[in-house]
Amino acid sequence: EVQLLESGGGLVQPGGSLRLSCAASGSTFSSSAMSWVRQAPGKGLEWVSLISASGATTYFADSVKGRFTISRDNSKNTLFLQMSSLRAEDTAVYYCATMKLLGNYYFDYWGQGTLVIVSS
Amino acid sequence: DIQMTQSPSSLSASVGDRVTITCRASQGISNYLAWFQQRPGKAPKSLIYAASNLQSGVPSRFSGSGSETEFTLTISSLQPEDSATYYCQQYNNYPRTFGQGTKLEIK
Repeated sequence: EVQLLESGGGLVQPGGSLRLSCAASGSTFSSSAMSWVRQAPGKGLEWVSLISASGATTYFADSVKGRFTISRDNSKNTLFLQMSSLRAEDTAVYYCATMKLLGNYYFDYWGQGTLVIVSS
Repeated sequence: DIQMTQSPSSLSASVGDRVTITCRASQGISNYLAWFQQRPGKAPKSLIYAASNLQSGVPSRFSGSGSETEFTLTISSLQPEDSATYYCQQYNNYPRTFGQGTKLEIK
């Protein structure tokens, strides 16, 4: 079973930047697409971004496009989310998840999440 | 963007009851529909993909059905550990979108 461990969350001022990491166990990381999903306090789930297994293809929600970058280091089994120009509405728990492919990518395993608070 | 609408938003049921949650898509999504369970304070857990396929390790009391715009998640015999919020999600188009969630309480 894949295990995912997010890190890098914390308190950041509006307009600031933060980089989240997601360390994956297991040998399947380099062959799996990955996603980030976030959940604002007391709210539902919001998909943020997806990256293909090779890293060549990325997708973003409109709410973060141009401000967030997704990347991965397959040699270190690690996924990243670089967040900049942060806003109060980016405050959320951020989850990483592995994706499987059957026609289109669907969610498989989820990490435990890391909390990002954007506040002055 | 494709809007996903779940009903009901919340429900209360007893152990052993059969429970059904509905998810409607604002346009056809074939069978690219997944269901998730989220217990309080925990990460989401994948339950079902491709509308009706159980993820590995998910109890057989969970089942999914539907296609295009209307989908259902059914729990055949409710157990205490099923108390959670359930989300549907479409993966036919980008951006991926989730339903607003259905909070299931055990009486």
